[in-house]
Amino acid sequence: SAVISQKPSRDICQRGTSLTIQCQVDSQVTMMFWYRQQPGQSLTLIATANQGSEATYESGFVIDKFPISRPNLTFSTLTVSNMSPEDSSIYLCSVEPTDGGTQYFGPGTRLLVL
Amino acid sequence: QKEVEQDPGPLSVPEGAIVSLNCTYSNSAFQYFMWYRQYSRKGPELLMYTYSSGNKEDGRFTAQVDKSSKYISLFIRDSQPSDSATYLCAVKAAGNKLTFGGGTRVLVKP
Repeated sequence: SAVISQKPSRDICQRGTSLTIQCQVDSQVTMMFWYRQQPGQSLTLIATANQGSEATYESGFVIDKFPISRPNLTFSTLTVSNMSPEDSSIYLCSVEPTDGGTQYFGPGTRLLVL
Repeated sequence: QKEVEQDPGPLSVPEGAIVSLNCTYSNSAFQYFMWYRQYSRKGPELLMYTYSSGNKEDGRFTAQVDKSSKYISLFIRDSQPSDSATYLCAVKAAGNKLTFGGGTRVLVKP
């Protein structure tokens, strides 16, 4: 399995500001993903972070709101832009090993927007 | 109809009992089947990972996949209060994204 860390672990932000979340993996992985988990809900995929190219976004998520960077095979960032209280969620990054089966998740970033 | 259905619970059992969790899915293309455990305010932790049909056992945990019925199960034997968490099933077709069930909250009472 992979060891995944996220920064920050939690934050409280003001409406209209932006927050960048970092995800670091202890080994090189091809596939990295960003998810959102709203209170009491299951996980929703935001996008696939592609190394060296633009991220692939799921329906309902756009690059202007959730820009993603993937500069190398061990690191990615997700920015939540122009935040509103509806963006209050847990944001999780995950990685998929090269065998293409399961995914491993980071500890998450708890975001509260006031 | 959701692609993956999971009873949200809560499921409350006494310590030492067997916890039985299940999910149903609709797409026969799913080949990978996973169970995650998520404690409050933590990220999901992979418990069991199964490819195709059959059973898999790991300590107190047993995962079963019945592709003919599109039904997956997780059993926890000798449950402990530390097993109290939300359990998420997830399925995946080759090359595709994970699809999660809604999660079942489990409470094991001492």
